[in-house]
Amino acid sequence: NAGVTQTPKFRILKIGQSMTLQCTQDMNHNYMYWYRQDPGMGLKLIYYSVGAGITDKGEVPNGYNVSRSTTEDFPLRLELAAPSQTSVYFCASSYSGSDTEAFFGQGTRLTVV
Amino acid sequence: GESVGLHLPTLSVQEGDNSIINCAYSNSASDYFIWYKQESGKGPQFIIDIRSNMDKRQGQRVTVLLNKTVKHLSLQIAATQPGDSAVYFCAERGAGGSNYKLTFGKGTLLTVNP
Repeated sequence: NAGVTQTPKFRILKIGQSMTLQCTQDMNHNYMYWYRQDPGMGLKLIYYSVGAGITDKGEVPNGYNVSRSTTEDFPLRLELAAPSQTSVYFCASSYSGSDTEAFFGQGTRLTVV
Repeated sequence: GESVGLHLPTLSVQEGDNSIINCAYSNSASDYFIWYKQESGKGPQFIIDIRSNMDKRQGQRVTVLLNKTVKHLSLQIAATQPGDSAVYFCAERGAGGSNYKLTFGKGTLLTVNP
């Protein structure tokens, strides 16, 4: 059971470039989340999804897009990378929105230069 | 706005001692409070939660205390071990229609000295 898998682990982007952070889970969880973690800070919710075909904005959605075509996958898209998007990105999932236990991936460290 | 914060950003303890990590919250409407542990290079991992109508909950070597009067949450770790070294986050879960949402504090770095 792999849990939540994120790729890549590290990435350096130039300003204006685009990329997709991949996230997949094999626990048949309905809810999936994308968080960003800035140095010395807590996690901030970017987007979330309550099931395939449904996504919604979190606290800091600007500059990002998501899709949820399957239960397993929840990719995060950066269209025009900016230095302010330098952060560690975590994908997480939970069976339902009422679960307090979310399962996190190992993170993607993104640097925009 | 709503926020969850911590009193101590760093905590250093000796192996075998008990650790207490504190957290202040501001949203009285949250229905659950949760502690997560984040080891270096890893994603956060659930430790324990407590419902807002409880004062205390115990797990394996951990105890969470909730004081709603002063909006304070604490995590006690008994007989702290080197493997407990990590950043600990408190989080609160919104109630009702926003119960999917976890609001995280900034974290406390716990260092266990051998």
